[in-house]
Amino acid sequence: QSALTQPPSASGSPGQSVTISCTGTSSDVGGYNYVSWYQQHPGKAPKLMIYEVTKRPSGVPDRFSGSKSGNTASLTVSGLQAEDEADYYCTSYAGSNNFVVFGGGTKLTVL
Amino acid sequence: EVQLVQSGAEVKKSGESLKISCKGSGYSFTSYWIGWVRQMPGKGLEWMGIIYPGDSDTRYSPSFQGQVTVSADKSIRTAYLQWSSLKASDTAIYYCALALVPFGFDYWGQGTLVSVSS
Repeated sequence: QSALTQPPSASGSPGQSVTISCTGTSSDVGGYNYVSWYQQHPGKAPKLMIYEVTKRPSGVPDRFSGSKSGNTASLTVSGLQAEDEADYYCTSYAGSNNFVVFGGGTKLTVL
Repeated sequence: EVQLVQSGAEVKKSGESLKISCKGSGYSFTSYWIGWVRQMPGKGLEWMGIIYPGDSDTRYSPSFQGQVTVSADKSIRTAYLQWSSLKASDTAIYYCALALVPFGFDYWGQGTLVSVSS
């Protein structure tokens, strides 16, 4: 069982917006502003999409945005495109002992 | 250009030992954390452990503590993940990942497939 809880699946039509949640505790998501989101296409290495809750690495489209409220972080993909269909994982810093915890992943389907 | 290049696929038997590698280039190797992530067939990502090559500070996920060893040789800019006795359940793709941003893995190796037969 993963430390962070994500819905197993999410879907939306092209052009729509979809939000994926990531729920942890006050010891990880709620305690630090170090939530990251990764996109993984089949057979590929993961790609960092969001770090420090809201920041986008260079090259990531601004259609991807992150937020956090309490112990739950969210990734929103606006203006869905076919190439956004992938698995998405959240992670959070969890202190000097546990260090990093992962979510179980969400499969995003573009209908 | 920042790059992480991992060693090639491995086919092993249960009980054998194994050490896979991840060579970093294009950045200050001793200044950033490198982590290891497991992905079992058809499953999600699991964080295993992480090392800071500058002082070899190493942390492990509780799920992997005692099961694997993470190390680094800064003279050759290489991080390692090793097992002393493999099990069939260790069959997976293993990724190394570099955290240039705080607690975010922004560069990943290509992955190393480890296949363990019983």
